Amino acid sequence: DQQVKQNSPSLSVQEGRISILNCDYTNSMFDYFLWYKKYPAEGPTFLISISSIKDKNEDGRFTVFLNKSAKHLSLHIVPSQPGDSAVYFCAASGTYKYIFGTGTRLKVLA
Amino acid sequence: ETGVTQTPRHLVMGMTNKKSLKCEQHLGHNAMYWYKQSAKKPLELMFVYNFKEQTENNSVPSRFSPECPNSSHLFLHLHTLQPEDSALYLCASSQDYPGARGYTFGSGTRLTVV
Repeated sequence: DQQVKQNSPSLSVQEGRISILNCDYTNSMFDYFLWYKKYPAEGPTFLISISSIKDKNEDGRFTVFLNKSAKHLSLHIVPSQPGDSAVYFCAASGTYKYIFGTGTRLKVLA
Repeated sequence: ETGVTQTPRHLVMGMTNKKSLKCEQHLGHNAMYWYKQSAKKPLELMFVYNFKEQTENNSVPSRFSPECPNSSHLFLHLHTLQPEDSALYLCASSQDYPGARGYTFGSGTRLTVV
């Protein structure tokens, strides 16, 4: 039973436009949600997080939205840049560990 | 050196070999983790160590054997692996409760079992 799901394996966006990556979860007890970015041949790097008591967190071009009633979170990247091309994982925290989704490969076209 | 360092970066081993993966962190973190990343699957948590004590073994086959001699070092000993064990093995570390700060991951070891 997959508790964190990313239903879109890939996404292509034109440079300068908005990228929206989505994630759904099933466990209402998760207390933090995070997004990680992964380039080939590198480990995932932490991008942005949101507490379950918030509905929005912003950091520069990156904004994460949390809809608790729908058990859904999304990552918005505005404007998208070619360097944003990577695999993005969402993760949910329950105590000392995270549960990850399968990832969405974002390709930003120049 | 800072961050989380994993060696080797690539490993090819036969099914009868014994090898070890090494992970080292100089971040002062108390918890260390092994994750497995296979194609089209979520990152799978394998083991968790908190203050050198194993706190989770996520139903991992005994052909994978972790070792955590201190809070800065973590090993994954491998023996009699199967081809389906080929994957990217990621080490991570965190404060004892990562919360909003997340893990710090290493670059991973790409393992191929032949």
